[in-house]
Formats: sequence, structure tokens, C-alpha cells
Amino acid sequence: SQQGEEDPQALSIQEGENATMNCSYKTSINNLQWYRQNSGRGLVHLILIRSNEREKHSGRLRVTLDTSKKSSSLLITASRAADTASYFCARGNAGNMLTFGGGTRLMVKP
Amino acid sequence: DARVTQTPRDKVTEMGQEVTMRCQPILGHNTVFWYRQTMMQGLELLAYFRNRAPLDDSGMPKDRFSAEMPDATLATLKIQPSEPRDSAVYFCASARTGGDTEAFFGQGTRLTVV
Repeated sequence: SQQGEEDPQALSIQEGENATMNCSYKTSINNLQWYRQNSGRGLVHLILIRSNEREKHSGRLRVTLDTSKKSSSLLITASRAADTASYFCARGNAGNMLTFGGGTRLMVKP
Repeated sequence: DARVTQTPRDKVTEMGQEVTMRCQPILGHNTVFWYRQTMMQGLELLAYFRNRAPLDDSGMPKDRFSAEMPDATLATLKIQPSEPRDSAVYFCASARTGGDTEAFFGQGTRLTVV
């Protein structure tokens, strides 16, 4: 069973718009990671934010972390059709164990 | 190009048969994860190893599932006997130990038990 929730479960936007996905968790973390999965394939790591960080950027990705609210968000700016995929957050604990949420399915329409 | 290799990519088997899935982690990675993905349950952590020792396999049904690392280059996940409810995609991932590190996933084994 997952230790948190992602919302929304599904998101459909037009190319050029921003996409925001949220992740909540219940137990303490060492880091929070975001992964992307194209249909039927393995997950690919996007970005990692440590528990003592509040915001991180990588290209068109922006991740925030609020440990007081036990939540994180992933923002994809200026979305492209190629961003269509499922996005997962993963909680990393002190032992480097990773547990994943249910994911958000993002559809970017051209 | 370092990557995690899983075999087989697809497996169809009859209920009651033994299934063995294999994973070759990235050289130098000493943490290995096994996940199961289904539409209903999402990504479930079945087991994870560090330096070939199991650290947590609480997510794995013990009566029929077993996971091992015979050596640093091979991880196996075995189901015996298999059941239709085991149908899923099984992913292996590996990571370096120490600090905050990302996991690298294999392409998965799609298991269908009929």
C-alpha cells in the first residue's frame, strides 16, 4: 500500500499550459523524488529534493517541498505533447527505501 | 550506457507454474528494489536489498514469493506457485548507497498468469 496520495489522478491540458501535480505523504522523509513513466516502460528519475530544501528547479521542472504539511508539488511549465506520461512521487527514507504514490496521468494535447 | 536489465520482458504462464524473473543491476549499485505495478494497486514495493542482504521484504507475500541476490550482478524474484492475481508488471531498480540517490529502473517483466 502506498504511504501517500498524488492528486489529481488525471490531468488534461493544452500544449503551452503549465501542469501542477501534488503529492502528500504521512511518514518522515529524507528526500522526495519525482519520476516519469511512459506507457508500459520503466520509470525515469526527474528530480530529487532533500528534506531540508524547499524548492528546486531543473529545466522546465519546479519542485517544492513543505515538510510541515508533508506535501510536495511538481510544476511543468510550458508543457509539450511529449510531456504526456504518468508522474510519480517517491518518498525516500533514511535507509534509502523508496515508496511510491499512485501517480498522476498527464495528457498534453497538441 | 549503464542500465538495469530485466529478463524476460514478457512471460505468460499457467496457474501453478513457477516463475523466475531476473535483474542485472547497474555495476557499482549496491541497493536493489523489486516493485510490482498493477492498475488497482499502483507501484508496490515488494523487497529491497543492500549489499545483497534483504533489508525489507514486508510487502512480499511470503508463502509464494521469494527474492534473492545470489551475487552482486544478479537479483531474482521467484513466484511458486503462480496465481492469476500475480499478473502484473514487475520492476527492478538499483541505486548507489549513501546520501540521497536516485533509482534507475529496468524496463520491467510483464507477467500474465492464466
